[in-house]
Amino acid sequence: GQNIDQPTEMTATEGAIVQINCTYQTSGFNGLFWYQQHAGEAPTFLSYNVLDGLEEKGRFSSFLSRSKGYSYLLLKELQMKDSASYLCAVWDSNYQLIWGAGTKLIIKP
Amino acid sequence: DTAVSQTPKYLVTQMGNDKSIKCEQNLGHDTMYWYKQDSKKFLKIMFSYNNKELIINETVPNRFSPKSPDKAHLNLHINSLELGDSAVYFCASSQDRGEVKTQYFGPGTRLLVL
Repeated sequence: GQNIDQPTEMTATEGAIVQINCTYQTSGFNGLFWYQQHAGEAPTFLSYNVLDGLEEKGRFSSFLSRSKGYSYLLLKELQMKDSASYLCAVWDSNYQLIWGAGTKLIIKP
Repeated sequence: DTAVSQTPKYLVTQMGNDKSIKCEQNLGHDTMYWYKQDSKKFLKIMFSYNNKELIINETVPNRFSPKSPDKAHLNLHINSLELGDSAVYFCASSQDRGEVKTQYFGPGTRLLVL
């Protein structure tokens, strides 16, 4: 079966750095997305990785290792507004998007 | 000005009723989707439409039927609502051309079946 694993919840301090991991087992791979979802709102696109390595976009970076079936989202200089759920999603060989359950990130002052 | 819009935002109804949720996108995208997000926050794909053709139909009950009058609209009709249908339903759209088919989500419809 297809499976995406993420920690259920993480806590971090304002101004710090946090890494949210995602491991996946899917039938084929055509790319990996990270989305942010604030409580009561829609998911919004953060990043996309299809090749191995690190993609940096401001305070957020996303890393991919296809051989390990692994990705992480790195958030630097955490702000209170970063409190949200972070969803990992993988395109399988049929371009069907398989979603993880999301990681709820709690930022404390 | 809104890219993907849904109506209504909240829907409270009795078991057994029939209801529809509407979705519109003004992004010129080729593909539209319906997702269900339950209390455990899993996003489950229900349907997607590409140029008015159904291209994914997950194993959802046939009480759910998507209707696409044109490329910019994908409505969701639900017959004989059940308690387990209570969830947040998100509409999304993506462009088929290009390598990265990022999906853009509507604000969601919170359905509560009593």
